[in-house]
Amino acid sequence: DSGVTQTPKHLITATGQRVTLRCSPRSGDLSVYWYQQSLDQGLQFLIQYYNGEERAKGNILERFSAQQFPDLHSELNLSSLELGDSALYFCASSVLAGVINEQFFGPGTRLTVL
Amino acid sequence: AQSVTQPDIHITVSEGASLELRCNYSYGATPYLFWYVQSPGQGLQLLLKYFSGDTLVQGIKGFEAEFKRSQSSFNLRKPSVHWSDAAEYFCAVGARTTSGTYKYIFGTGTRLKVLA
Repeated sequence: DSGVTQTPKHLITATGQRVTLRCSPRSGDLSVYWYQQSLDQGLQFLIQYYNGEERAKGNILERFSAQQFPDLHSELNLSSLELGDSALYFCASSVLAGVINEQFFGPGTRLTVL
Repeated sequence: AQSVTQPDIHITVSEGASLELRCNYSYGATPYLFWYVQSPGQGLQLLLKYFSGDTLVQGIKGFEAEFKRSQSSFNLRKPSVHWSDAAEYFCAVGARTTSGTYKYIFGTGTRLKVLA
């Protein structure tokens, strides 16, 4: 158990809908990362937050957004969903942001768009 | 461009046999390298990491990896594989972002099958 929690574990929805994925980092970790794992794209970095502020963006679509709240939990919002958004979405956390350190991964949320 | 290549998509070995999973990276600066394992239905667990120093690093579950700068490689090894090692293995490089933070760039993974 990494100490990172993600809810829900599974999510099934229809095209055009909007969903919110939630992540609680390990106690004491200030930085949260979101990754998407799909069969065709592999594991892709989406976005990073540190202590409530966006710090880095990766291959995140404009239909997707995220935020980190004062209690440090983070939410990833996916809107206007398409079939291709079906994937496993991982959250990871680490202590700091400006130096390289280990990221601890949650169990993931499996999103299925029908 | 920054990238990580894992040339073997699938590898099958017999239990008790030795294992080597290949990883090559392309990164302009000092690489920070990681190996993660993902068991079915699970998240990613860190096996080992290389930041600097001794180029042979030891990890959990009996794994080790050797950083070879001249070959841009960070291959993962285990002398004797156990059936419980069947999983998918990801190599990653920690890449500095424009804002000064770090993100991971992952390889496409190698799925390991272990024969009894």
